[in-house]
Amino acid sequence: LAKTTQPISMDSYEGQEVNITCSHNNIATNDYITWYQQFPSQGPRFIIQGYKTKVTNEVASLFIPADRKSSTLSLPRVSLSDTAVYYCLVGGGSSNTGKLIFGQGTTLQVKP
Amino acid sequence: EPEVTQTPSHQVTQMGQEVILRCVPISNHLYFYWYRQILGQKVEFLVSFYNNEISEKSEIFDDQFSVERPDGSNFTLKIRSTKLEDSAMYFCASSKLGQDNQPQHFGDGTRLSIL
Repeated sequence: LAKTTQPISMDSYEGQEVNITCSHNNIATNDYITWYQQFPSQGPRFIIQGYKTKVTNEVASLFIPADRKSSTLSLPRVSLSDTAVYYCLVGGGSSNTGKLIFGQGTTLQVKP
Repeated sequence: EPEVTQTPSHQVTQMGQEVILRCVPISNHLYFYWYRQILGQKVEFLVSFYNNEISEKSEIFDDQFSVERPDGSNFTLKIRSTKLEDSAMYFCASSKLGQDNQPQHFGDGTRLSIL
């Protein structure tokens, strides 16, 4: 799986939009970009996945530029309950292992 | 929404004892996984399982570890002789397909404490 780089931590306030950027310079043609969220003492939870351009669901948006060497997870109007670790993972397509390789993720702290 | 369930939520075991962690994956999923997370560290892949056999395992998954799907619903991880360094959260996950672009659904984990 392609290596990813994301900020270790971010702070925000309730009601703000939060953008977390992930770099993946060695992304392969068939790779997808997937984001997971993990609350303390819980397992990771799938948030969103994309291949190119923009994907939006009820939780977040994912922006992927044309070169696909980075991606940005956008959380609109965060609340205290969005405080969590957010992981960017890149892989799939050409691989059938199913193995997920997690980095350290970005710890988002939302303040009142 | 269907969930992956894990039992027990917390297991305390003496070093050297055997422990079995249990998971019930989502019913129509075909691929099953175990991960672990030592306190304050990354989530680490242990093993993937499909069609009643191991698809891939990490170097962490040594001879002390084994997995089994004893019936149509349960998926278990056994640690034969636990060590202090096995203390961690263990997460089970499942997915419909086995490609690593397929979303995996995780349980809330079993906290294993080795004394």
